[in-house]
Amino acid sequence: EADIYQTPRYLVIGTGKKITLECSQTMGHDKMYWYQQDPGMELHLIHYSYGVNSTEKGDLSSESTVSRIRTEHFPLTLESARPSHTSQYLCASSSGDRNTEAFFGQGTRLTVV
Amino acid sequence: GDSVTQMEGPVTLSEEAFLTINCTYTATGYPSLFWYVQYPGEGLQLLLKATKADDKGSNKGFEATYRKETTSFHLEKGSVQVSDSAVYFCALSDQSNTGKLIFGQGTTLQVKP
Repeated sequence: EADIYQTPRYLVIGTGKKITLECSQTMGHDKMYWYQQDPGMELHLIHYSYGVNSTEKGDLSSESTVSRIRTEHFPLTLESARPSHTSQYLCASSSGDRNTEAFFGQGTRLTVV
Repeated sequence: GDSVTQMEGPVTLSEEAFLTINCTYTATGYPSLFWYVQYPGEGLQLLLKATKADDKGSNKGFEATYRKETTSFHLEKGSVQVSDSAVYFCALSDQSNTGKLIFGQGTTLQVKP
């Protein structure tokens, strides 16, 4: 059972609102990731972190920002939500190198109206 | 850049039928290859992996062999069950050791009783 948690599971919010999607893991993993899953199901990396105070942008450009102040916590923030941000956001973590399994949270389904 | 291509879905099979989901990749060097499964309303779970050429990953009756000569990692199962209905993602992790995953577009499998 993966110990990585995302809240909220579902969020409907109005345009222009600021939102933060929470992601926490209790496995002590250094590496954490945010993937965006579009309605066609494709997943694209939008942010990743190798450890505390380390954040990098992923392959897909995103207006969101992330922070990594604690090992276990990797929140994603949208300063001003827009309908184009409507998507599913999946958080993941990993303990090691490229051969290591990534553990995924259940996702947050965001709808901006 | 690196990429993964999966066969188009959805795939609809009767229970106990044979399953093949094709996956091919483009990458420099020697990526690690994964199959992840996403059940409705859930995050992704690792199904199996292979980290070098000719390795065979297997789990829950599913198998996939890392074929470097054809750059393929096709998923197979001899007899599917209704409980196998889900979305299946092929993915690679490149040599950079970042743990970042590049996913195929996903294939929806529906198994009917």
